[in-house]
Amino acid sequence: GAGVSQTPSNKVTEKGKYVELRCDPISGHTALYWYRQSLGQGPEFLIYFQGTGAADDSGLPNDRFFAVRPEGSVSTLKIQRTERGDSAVYLCASSASGGTGELFFGEGSRLTVL
Amino acid sequence: AQSVTQPDIHITVSEGASLELRCNYSYGATPYLFWYVQSPGQGLQLLLKYFSGDTLVQGIKGFEAEFKRSQSSFNLRKPSVHWSDAAEYFCAVGGSNYKLTFGKGTLLTVNP
Repeated sequence: GAGVSQTPSNKVTEKGKYVELRCDPISGHTALYWYRQSLGQGPEFLIYFQGTGAADDSGLPNDRFFAVRPEGSVSTLKIQRTERGDSAVYLCASSASGGTGELFFGEGSRLTVL
Repeated sequence: AQSVTQPDIHITVSEGASLELRCNYSYGATPYLFWYVQSPGQGLQLLLKYFSGDTLVQGIKGFEAEFKRSQSSFNLRKPSVHWSDAAEYFCAVGGSNYKLTFGKGTLLTVNP
């Protein structure tokens, strides 16, 4: 595709439920990133993949959050036992490399936990 | 710990007027600095970045920013604002390209 694609664009769930958010990066981009943007805040780093492996997952807030990228392309962010505080826009970005290459962001997945 | 402060939550300017958005950062080494713009319903778009070299960097859409190490600042400027520049602007700092710390953003309103 032309840009980074994220699905769903909106997700409403109930507290305690499991949620998956998908990111389809720009074709050929080896680096993929997840950020989270809460209301009135700037994006916060969650995790960075180089290829299939998580090169840095230090931003994941707790063990309810997990992300995978099994084939080095599409990535899924998984949130277990959702809490109201997880409500935010989850942003995915990709770049041609993990060095100084520009990050291209998707439009985000807005998660609302009731 | 690294941090970014954008002192202005909301700025309103008239179309054609000049613009300066402030950004102050805290970082323990030579920083990578970025400005992103976010329009409603769109993803973050990179306006410009500073890695090294010339401290005045040019970006897209007529924007520029100046890195001032002594002031720990990286202010964004544009000589003449267009209505299409209305958006939210984020300054970010990092020691690498990916693990960025963003400010809380400055919302720009442009009056006709």
